[in-house]
Amino acid sequence: EVQLLESGGGLVQPGGPLRLSCAASGFTFSFYAMSWVRQAPGKGLEWVSDISGSGDTTYYADSVKGRFTISRDNSKNTLYLQMNSLRAEDTAVYYCAKADRTKVNLVAIGNWGQGTLVTVSS
Amino acid sequence: QSALTQPASVSGSPGQSITISCTGTSSDVGGYNYVSWYQQYPGKAPKFMMYDVSNRPSGVSNRFSGSKSGNTASLTISGLQAEDEADYYCSSYTSSSTYVFGTGTKVTVL
Repeated sequence: EVQLLESGGGLVQPGGPLRLSCAASGFTFSFYAMSWVRQAPGKGLEWVSDISGSGDTTYYADSVKGRFTISRDNSKNTLYLQMNSLRAEDTAVYYCAKADRTKVNLVAIGNWGQGTLVTVSS
Repeated sequence: QSALTQPASVSGSPGQSITISCTGTSSDVGGYNYVSWYQQYPGKAPKFMMYDVSNRPSGVSNRFSGSKSGNTASLTISGLQAEDEADYYCSSYTSSSTYVFGTGTKVTVL
């Protein structure tokens, strides 16, 4: 069974950093592209970033480009999101997500974690 | 990276069929057969409901079906049931190798 467990969320001041982690199990982690998707309170889903299975290709939404960095450690089956220069508008539940198929760009999300809440406020 | 356009709400009576539209551009929905749909209950993570326009993942009811014409994709729910009341999001791969979601549709079962 696929399991995705996010951690690292919490309250952070504007301008501060925060790193999210996602521990994956139940599948061959390195075979799948992974992604972060966020949802602001009462709002819709917003794709944030994704990374290829090998980790050598990354993509970002314009809203986070230059501030967020996605990475993965395939030896630890863990996905990360380093978030810097955080703004109030980054407040959201952040979901870790797994591609639905192997060895290609993210074209559909087959599995989601339960999410971790990030609140940016002074 | 503009969100795909969905109606804010759609409603129907039990047993009826409803259709949710998802409109993009030739750079996303119209350019690829990589449209997916997700169901989300309040306070819960989204659930994978449809991929590659019209394919259902294992375990998803065959009351759900998908289609696409030009820059607009659609999700149809047949035989509407109370448990179908949820938010639904479409998504698409884009020409920039990024991913975009729709604005979301709240389905209400009357």
